[in-house]
Amino acid sequence: EVQLLESGGDLVQPGGSLRLSCAASGFTFSNYAMSWVRQAPGEGLEWVSGISGSGYSTHYSDSVKGRLIISRDSSKSTLFLQMNSLRAEDTAVYYCARHSANYQSFDYWGQGTLVTVSS
Amino acid sequence: EIVMTQSPATLSVSPGERATLSCRASHSVTNNLAWYQQKPGQPPRLLISGASTRATGIPARFSGSGSGTEFTLTISSLQSEDFAVYYCQQYASWPLTFGPGTKVDIK
Repeated sequence: EVQLLESGGDLVQPGGSLRLSCAASGFTFSNYAMSWVRQAPGEGLEWVSGISGSGYSTHYSDSVKGRLIISRDSSKSTLFLQMNSLRAEDTAVYYCARHSANYQSFDYWGQGTLVTVSS
Repeated sequence: EIVMTQSPATLSVSPGERATLSCRASHSVTNNLAWYQQKPGQPPRLLISGASTRATGIPARFSGSGSGTEFTLTISSLQSEDFAVYYCQQYASWPLTFGPGTKVDIK
């Protein structure tokens, strides 16, 4: 059974940093591209960042480019999102999602972890 | 960036009735289009990929159609568990983008 379990969400002050993790199980992690998708309270879905199965290729939305860094550790089947220079508008539930094939639709999602940026 | 729009924003439907949701892309995405269902407090669930292919375990009452810039999700006979928010998403080009969603509620 495919499972994705996010952790690391917290309350952080503007300008602060946070590292999110997503532990994957039930599939061969290195065979799948992964992404982070966020959802601000009461709002819709926003794709944030994606990474290839090998980890060599990464992509970012303009709203987070230069501040958030996606990475993965295939030896631990874990996806990461390093979040720096956080802003109030980064407040959201962050979901880890698996691409069904190379950067295609998201076939599995985690339950999400809440990041709140506030002083 | 490809901008996705959805209509209507809210659709009020009675159980057993048919629901038709629309999604439009600002540029052609060919068939690189997915539909998701999201219920309160839950992550999204993949319904349709490739514009018309149902995901594993999705009931046949859900169907997708369209290509290029115009897409439709049809729920043939709404069940109580189908009242939710539905999002379309394109994966033809970066950045990946979602529509704003259509909320299907009980009439």
